[in-house]
Amino acid sequence: DIQMTQSPSTLSASVGDRVTITCRASQSISSWLAWYQQKPGKAPTLLIYQTSILQSGVPSRFRGSGSGTGFTLTINSLQPDDFATYYCLQYNTYPRQFGQGTKVEVK
Amino acid sequence: EVQLVESGGGLVQSGRSLRLSCAASGFTFDDHGMNWVRQSPGKGLEWVAGISGVGDRNGYADSVKGRFIISRDNAKNSVDLQMHSLRPEDTAVYYCTKNRGKSWFHDTFDVWGQGTMVTVSS
Repeated sequence: DIQMTQSPSTLSASVGDRVTITCRASQSISSWLAWYQQKPGKAPTLLIYQTSILQSGVPSRFRGSGSGTGFTLTINSLQPDDFATYYCLQYNTYPRQFGQGTKVEVK
Repeated sequence: EVQLVESGGGLVQSGRSLRLSCAASGFTFDDHGMNWVRQSPGKGLEWVAGISGVGDRNGYADSVKGRFIISRDNAKNSVDLQMHSLRPEDTAVYYCTKNRGKSWFHDTFDVWGQGTMVTVSS
């Protein structure tokens, strides 16, 4: 099974900051990686799929990049609504595997 | 509007069974694979099971293989998760999710239900 290692587990930032979250796969997953945002008590929402394609309605300050085993989610100019937990997901093979999550909190 | 509504959660004793259901609307149901994803209290997300649009393919997490069964009824636009031999570690919010496209192999989840809570007591 593919393992996903996400870092950091917690990130403290301020409004306007650029933040970067990293996800590493234990073997190549090509570009089959998605990013989700989850707020407390709510279901996750899809931000980015196939490494870099923004889901409809997602602000352009969110950017995904990478390929193979290394992937990055960048949030440019962090907004108040962006404080949340973010998860990566590999969908190259079954079983699907999420990263452990990164909580973006107020600095 | 695309909508997924889960039901069937509750409190159950260890070793017993429970069946979750997800009612789907707002899209062509049999065009899309469906999944169950769970989240234990205060923890991260765990994919549990998935099934293809026509129901001919399925997959399970190692943690539930042999105990859980995913099925779908395309005539009723619903997907179920039958859970047997439940354990306290199965305690979680269970989310129903829809695949974004038509691929079984390379497709991710674009719509999630609100979740249903399953609590397994020891």
